[in-house]
Amino acid sequence: NAGVMQNPRHLVRRRGQEARLRCSPMKGHSHVYWYRQLPEEGLKFMVYLQKENIIDESGMPKERFSAEFPKEGPSILRIQQVVRGDSAAYFCASSQGTERVYGYTFGSGTRLTVV
Amino acid sequence: DAKTTQPTSMDCAEGRAANLPCNHSTISGNEYVYWYRQIHSQGPQYIIHGLKNNETNEMASLIITEDRKSSTLILPHATLRDTAVYYCIVRSGGSNYKLTFGKGTLLTVNP
Repeated sequence: NAGVMQNPRHLVRRRGQEARLRCSPMKGHSHVYWYRQLPEEGLKFMVYLQKENIIDESGMPKERFSAEFPKEGPSILRIQQVVRGDSAAYFCASSQGTERVYGYTFGSGTRLTVV
Repeated sequence: DAKTTQPTSMDCAEGRAANLPCNHSTISGNEYVYWYRQIHSQGPQYIIHGLKNNETNEMASLIITEDRKSSTLILPHATLRDTAVYYCIVRSGGSNYKLTFGKGTLLTVNP
């Protein structure tokens, strides 16, 4: 049973381009969470999604960032018109539910570098 | 969620016990203490969690003080592969899904 799969592992984009980060949750997990880790910082919550629904996007920047988790396929975190400050590691986690008994499994992350 | 305070870094000799402290003096009655770790270039890994009783699993032990204002994560026999940043997180019970990560403690296990 594969864990949470994120791709690509490393992504380089020029300023102004779009970045698409993909996350396939663990089998049986229908809850997906995205976190961002800036250099030398802890992880910060961005968004929580269930299939076809955004539940909480309170941690997402208001502009240029969007997330989806379609009925079929992986969850996508999309960053439009990237800027240097978007350079960070983006981690996805999944769980069966939100109760504390359900552990969160994190992927290995996508490291975005904006040049 | 309550705020946690951890030392910035700690060292431990390989094979010895690593004791990582965490202060959470503002913890409330329904908040759990979680520990995660992040090995370099990897995603966070769940270690253990508890409410008020001490907990043990195959990875570690969690000791929570009686007043619940602090806790200690114990790795009984640290190995070089335990070198990582360890995060102590306080999380509400029920459906609180957000994990609030601080800067954690960088544990370095030395040969």
